[in-house]
Amino acid sequence: EVQLVQSGTEVKKPGESLTISCKASGYTFTSYWIAWVRRTPGKGLEWMGSVYAGDSDTKYSPSFQGQVAISVDKSSNTAYLRWTSLKASDTAMYFCARLGGSPFYLDSWGQGTPVTVSS
Amino acid sequence: DIQMTQSPSSLSASIGDRVTITCQASQDINTHLNWYQHKPGKAPKLLIYGASNLATGVPSRFSGSGSGTDFAFTVSSLQPEDIATYYCQQYAYIYSFGQGTKLEIK
Repeated sequence: EVQLVQSGTEVKKPGESLTISCKASGYTFTSYWIAWVRRTPGKGLEWMGSVYAGDSDTKYSPSFQGQVAISVDKSSNTAYLRWTSLKASDTAMYFCARLGGSPFYLDSWGQGTPVTVSS
Repeated sequence: DIQMTQSPSSLSASIGDRVTITCQASQDINTHLNWYQHKPGKAPKLLIYGASNLATGVPSRFSGSGSGTDFAFTVSSLQPEDIATYYCQQYAYIYSFGQGTKLEIK
């Protein structure tokens, strides 16, 4: 069974750094892309970017380019989403999801990581 | 960027009603479109891929159609468990979601 298990709730202050994780199991990790999706009440779901676990090739949505960094660790079957300086506007629920092959759809999702950024 | 415009943004319907949501792409995306259901407190769920293909295990009351720039998602007979927000998502160029349609019971 494909499973994506995300790290827990985060509460941070503006300007702090943060890395959240997504651990995959039940499939060949290096054969798939992992995507990160942000969910906010005002904008709904937003595609942030994705990383191919086989070679760490990364693609970002223009809105998130330079704002976050996506990476993987093949040795632990884990994908990461990192901020170096959080803003209040980063407050959201973050999901990781496996991106299936052509056609490209998100076929398995993590449970979500809530992030709150507040002074 | 390819912009995806969903309508309506919210919809109220009765149990048993036929419900249709539309999604318009800012440029031709062929049939490179998926539909997801998102319920509060849960992860989103794939319903339709490639514009019209039903994902595994998804009830047949859900369907999708369209190609190019205009797409539709239909629930043929609304059930109480269908209350959720629905999103279209294109994968023709990078990826992007529509803004979502919140479906409620009248």
